[in-house]
Amino acid sequence: DAGVTQSPTHLIKTRGQQVTLRCSPKSGHDTVSWYQQALGQGPQFIFQYYEEEERQRGNFPDRFSGHQFPNYSSELNVNALLLGDSALYLCASSLVGRNYNEQFFGPGTRLTVL
Amino acid sequence: DAKTTQPPSMDCAEGRAANLPCNHSTISGNEYVYWYRQIHSQGPQYIIHGLKNNETNEMASLIITEDRKSSTLILPHATLRDTAVYYCIVRVLNAGGTSYGKLTFGQGTILTVHP
Repeated sequence: DAGVTQSPTHLIKTRGQQVTLRCSPKSGHDTVSWYQQALGQGPQFIFQYYEEEERQRGNFPDRFSGHQFPNYSSELNVNALLLGDSALYLCASSLVGRNYNEQFFGPGTRLTVL
Repeated sequence: DAKTTQPPSMDCAEGRAANLPCNHSTISGNEYVYWYRQIHSQGPQYIIHGLKNNETNEMASLIITEDRKSSTLILPHATLRDTAVYYCIVRVLNAGGTSYGKLTFGQGTILTVHP
């Protein structure tokens, strides 16, 4: 049973560029959430997608956008990259309707902005 | 979601029980207590959750005080592989047991298990 997968594992970009990160949820899951984790901090919620719509959003600017596809996979796009966007980006999947909505996390994509 | 307070770090000897406390004094009646951990360079991993009763699974036990203002995660026989950052999170489950809800992570507790 494949868990949550993310690609790429590492990425280096320069300021002002755009980046797309990808996530495939755990088999059978229909909801994808994205988190940003700066060095030494806990993960911060960016947004969550269910039925191809953004359902919740954290305190992130519009430069951060996402998409969910019919197969439940998801993309996170970040435009006009800033040095402060350097972080580990985590994807988590879950299944709506489960009693406790346990979220399974992927290994993350390490983004470095130079 | 209610705020949680955890000690920044704790140590434990291998084979002994690790007891990780969490304060959530502003918890609401419909908020659950969740514990996740994050081993270095990996994504967070779900451990256990509870509402008001004590819970146990193959990984840990969760003890919630009667007033629900605090809880303790217990790893009964800690191993070196339990060295990680442990996060205590409180969150609401929507009516019907479904939730679109985010997880709000704090700083967590760095647990170091020593040989």
